[in-house]
Amino acid sequence: EPEVTQTPSHQVTQMGQEVILRCVPISNHLYFYWYRQILGQKVEFLVSFYNNEISEKSEIFDDQFSVERPDGSNFTLKIRSTKLEDSAMYFCASLLGRGRYEQYFGPGTRLTVT
Amino acid sequence: LAKTTQPISMDSYEGQEVNITCSHNNIATNDYITWYQQFPSQGPRFIIQGYKTKVTNEVASLFIPADRKSSTLSLPRVSLSDTAVYYCLVGTRGGDKIIFGKGTRLHILP
Repeated sequence: EPEVTQTPSHQVTQMGQEVILRCVPISNHLYFYWYRQILGQKVEFLVSFYNNEISEKSEIFDDQFSVERPDGSNFTLKIRSTKLEDSAMYFCASLLGRGRYEQYFGPGTRLTVT
Repeated sequence: LAKTTQPISMDSYEGQEVNITCSHNNIATNDYITWYQQFPSQGPRFIIQGYKTKVTNEVASLFIPADRKSSTLSLPRVSLSDTAVYYCLVGTRGGDKIIFGKGTRLHILP
């Protein structure tokens, strides 16, 4: 069964550093998402991406965040200057298309900001 | 998006059938009911979706009464590996972000 993959599985970085989290969505999917989950809390929506542009973003997704689909297969989330409160699990998800409903989630990247 | 209410936690024993009920009094005509499962340190996983009556797949059954103001996820003969958080979601199909609540933390005991 096709699956969403994410790298790295765990990233440790210092406050103020830039990080890029990578995702490879399922190949024929058209909608892409990033979510995050702070330890012990709810899964929170960050951003959705369709047709090479952001379709929706949450209040969390401020100017420090950006997404890109550079080569038709990877989908990246960049945090420009990390803060301690960015420490969380970051999940990438993809969806086949409108009229479909199940988003497929990746295994996540655990980001630890020290 | 319709608000959902589900129990915060439930315990059950291996081999039992587990039913998790979700209330969604303000469900709209176009809304579907979807359930996701999340194991510790993993991403959520789609389990089942329905609009009305009953839907069954290899993992679970979903029962939806005629008024659609609630739904029940039924897990037959649970095992220890079914210990997870289960999320009930209500919304339209496709393309939209998922708004996760706190879910129901199901703990299966031996």
